[in-house]
Amino acid sequence: QSALTQPPSASGSPGQSVTISCTGTNSDFARFNYVSWYQQYPGKAPKVILFEVNKRPSGVPDRFSGFKSGNTASLTVSGLQAEDEADYYCSLYVRSNYVFGPGTKVTVL
Amino acid sequence: QITLEESGPTLVKPTQTLTLTCNFSGFSLSSSGVAVGWIRQPPGKALEWLALIYWDNDQRYSPSLKSRLTITKDTSRNQVVLTMANMGPLDTGTYFCAHFIYRHFDSWGQGALVTVSS
Repeated sequence: QSALTQPPSASGSPGQSVTISCTGTNSDFARFNYVSWYQQYPGKAPKVILFEVNKRPSGVPDRFSGFKSGNTASLTVSGLQAEDEADYYCSLYVRSNYVFGPGTKVTVL
Repeated sequence: QITLEESGPTLVKPTQTLTLTCNFSGFSLSSSGVAVGWIRQPPGKALEWLALIYWDNDQRYSPSLKSRLTITKDTSRNQVVLTMANMGPLDTGTYFCAHFIYRHFDSWGQGALVTVSS
C-alpha cells in the first residue's frame, strides 16, 4: 500500500503563502491523480478543501490551490489568514483503497 | 444537505468487539458511485482510513486492519455499521464516518470518541 509523507509543520505570516508537500512512496502516486487535501481544526471533523489534485469544492476559497508532479503533490495557501491555522492532511485513493498522510500543522505567525 | 452521525459505546474493554453505527441522511447508498467510509484518529495523531462500503456492496478495508474489520450497510434504514474485533488500548480514538464520492470524503460526521480500557 502507498505511504505518504508530509512535513510536520509549516508557518507563515498573514498575507504570505505557505506550501505543504505530500510525497508518495511508490509509483501509484505518480500514476493516479486522486489526491485530496483535508483541513482539520482541533476537536472538529476534517473538511475537504481539494480533491483530484486541484479541484475545490463549493465554498472553498480560491486561496487554496493544488499541484502534483511525479511522486509529489502540494497544497498552497495564498494570502494566509488567521483562520487558516489548522492541521492539513493529504490523501490518496488508489485501487479502491485510501490512505492519509501524517498531517502538517500550519501556524499563522 | 448530507448529514452523518456516529453512535456506539464510549468505553470498550480490551479484547471486546466494537460496533459503531453511522446514521445518514441526504443521500442514498444505492446511488451509483456513492460509498460510506470509516476513518479514525487517535488522540493527537493523524487520520487513519479504516473501511469503505460502496453502493454495490463492494467492501474495502485497510490492509493493516482487514482481519479485524467488518463493514455492512442497511440501505433501507440509511445505516452503515462497522465492527472491529479484539479492541486494544491503541484503538482508542475518535471514529468518523463520511460520505464518499468522486474518490474523496466530502461530508463527515462529528465523530465518536471510543476509549479502550479495562
